[in-house]
Amino acid sequence: SAVISQKPSRDICQRGTSLTIQCQVDSQVTMMFWYRQQPGQSLTLIATANQGSEATYESGFVIDKFPISRPNLTFSTLTVSNMSPEDSSIYLCSVYPVDGYTFGSGTRLTVV
Amino acid sequence: SQQGEEDPQALSIQEGENATMNCSYKTSINNLQWYRQNSGRGLVHLILIRSNEREKHSGRLRVTLDTSKKSSSLLITASRAADTASYFCATVPQGGSEKLVFGKGTKLTVNP
Repeated sequence: SAVISQKPSRDICQRGTSLTIQCQVDSQVTMMFWYRQQPGQSLTLIATANQGSEATYESGFVIDKFPISRPNLTFSTLTVSNMSPEDSSIYLCSVYPVDGYTFGSGTRLTVV
Repeated sequence: SQQGEEDPQALSIQEGENATMNCSYKTSINNLQWYRQNSGRGLVHLILIRSNEREKHSGRLRVTLDTSKKSSSLLITASRAADTASYFCATVPQGGSEKLVFGKGTKLTVNP
């Protein structure tokens, strides 16, 4: 199965600033997914990122707030923009190479 | 939006006992998957069951799927303290992309 390196593992940020989260996959994958997990909650899909095209965002998530880049088949970034304390969550990337999904280890973001 | 509902939300058992977690979902699916998450970190894929399968085993794990009731169960036999984690079911809805829709999760505590 694929191996994902996700960075940073955690960060504490000031409100109003932005944080970019990176995911590097050890193999080429068509689709990458970005999830948010709010404290004590389950995972909610933010967007699906395909290489060479705009990301597809789920209801309630917009590109201005969560811009995504997908420059090649092994890498993607998610930026959390103009952060507020409500953005404090774990953010995870995921890929589906063959049979079953692989997740990054997550980025625990705290906004103060 | 989340599709699955898991019950119980929290389960506490003694080492050696069996743990059963249930998941219900709302729409037709291609497959259903179970994941484990330790301490709010990345998710680990446990098992995938396709819509035309009724039961699947993997080590101490047994998963059942009842598509007529839109429900699944995860049984962990002879539990260990190391099984303490949150467990999530996730579905791939029919007709959609490969994106996962997660349930709310069951927090399992196995007491030594």
